[in-house]
Amino acid sequence: RKEVEQDPGPFNVPEGATVAFNCTYSNSASQSFFWYRQDCRKEPKLLMSVYSSGNEDGRFTAQLNRASQYISLLIRDSKLSDSATYLCVVTHGGSQGNLIFGKGTKLSVKP
Amino acid sequence: DADVTQTPRNRITKTGKRIMLECSQTKGHDRMYWYRQDPGLGLRLIYYSFDVKDINKGEISDGYSVSRQAQAKFSLSLESAIPNQTALYFCATSDTGFSGANVLTFGAGSRLTVL
Repeated sequence: RKEVEQDPGPFNVPEGATVAFNCTYSNSASQSFFWYRQDCRKEPKLLMSVYSSGNEDGRFTAQLNRASQYISLLIRDSKLSDSATYLCVVTHGGSQGNLIFGKGTKLSVKP
Repeated sequence: DADVTQTPRNRITKTGKRIMLECSQTKGHDRMYWYRQDPGLGLRLIYYSFDVKDINKGEISDGYSVSRQAQAKFSLSLESAIPNQTALYFCATSDTGFSGANVLTFGAGSRLTVL
């Protein structure tokens, strides 16, 4: 089983739609979890951290389920500008600064 | 100016040539990283450095070497480039501490093509 797995998509959704991505990780010792966003031909940028209790940042909600070892990202009211690849990222066990990236889920928001 | 600057941004070279990719940062971060990104394979860690005297191999270090010349500079070398090293290379930095260590700031990337 790969360390971090994501559905590659693409997810093609209309503006205003709600879309959810899931990510599973294999190392139960992983302690920190993140979503990064990568625009086409650009560098990845941190979108949000994922906390055990779940957290929300505007239209974005992240959830963590440690028992099932998966992370989710929900985007409400999708905008054209949300079109990007979303990378699920977990720490390698308890190591700080040693991150494992998923291959990413591509989202395309259409008018 | 960008916080993390990579040079060159694009390079085409031939098999067997030596190539150096350079990275400099103004974030004041101690930790620096080199990743490569390939279509369908995601980002993979090549080398990382937690301070000037610390160098660590990542997942795919074979065929690469690094030098941490200063806190702000971390270069990646391909001693004898081969075509399967064609990829997009990213340098990144992070702070220390439990939360800061896991927040990476990436450079804009260096696209390398080995013919």
